[in-house]
Amino acid sequence: DAKTTQPTSMDCAEGRAANLPCNHSTISGNEYVYWYRQIHSQGPQYIIHGLKNNETNEMASLIITEDRKSSTLILPHATLRDTAVYYCIASSNNAGNMLTFGGGTRLMVKP
Amino acid sequence: DTAVSQTPKYLVTQMGNDKSIKCEQNLGHDTMYWYKQDSKKFLKIMFSYNNKELIINETVPNRFSPKSPDKAHLNLHINSLELGDSAVYFCASSQVGSYGYTFGSGTRLTVV
Repeated sequence: DAKTTQPTSMDCAEGRAANLPCNHSTISGNEYVYWYRQIHSQGPQYIIHGLKNNETNEMASLIITEDRKSSTLILPHATLRDTAVYYCIASSNNAGNMLTFGGGTRLMVKP
Repeated sequence: DTAVSQTPKYLVTQMGNDKSIKCEQNLGHDTMYWYKQDSKKFLKIMFSYNNKELIINETVPNRFSPKSPDKAHLNLHINSLELGDSAVYFCASSQVGSYGYTFGSGTRLTVV
């Protein structure tokens, strides 16, 4: 897995968009960008993934730069329940490959 | 139905004991994993297993061994437990070629 760099922590006001950046400048062509989050005392939860194009699902949007060296996860209207550690991972989905988690970004959504 | 279930949720045991944590997935996935999350909250991969291959993180002591009776189960056996084994252990599953892991809710192991 390519190394990713994320800010250690971020705050966001409830109802506002939360924009979580991730740097993955050494990502290789077959590696996807995955985002997971871990709410306190729970198992990590898959959010979204992408290869080149921007992606959107019911949870979030993923914006990947054209050179694929960085990405941003967007939670459009953050709620208190979005308070969690968010992990950005660059990985292929080949057999035998294992997701490697870094330190992540601790997002605190405040009232 | 819970997609990936682990038992027990909490486990307190004495040093030197042998214990097992069970994991079952009902998603039909072909690959299962064990992760360890220590007190500093870093998630570390321990094993990846499917019916063809076991991949072991080389930093995992050989006191830890995965056992898979069938495709839907991957149990974690730990021999001669040590204080440093205290952590939360997460099981996960995925399907080769698809995207995203599904994690269980974790087992908090405390060695006293």
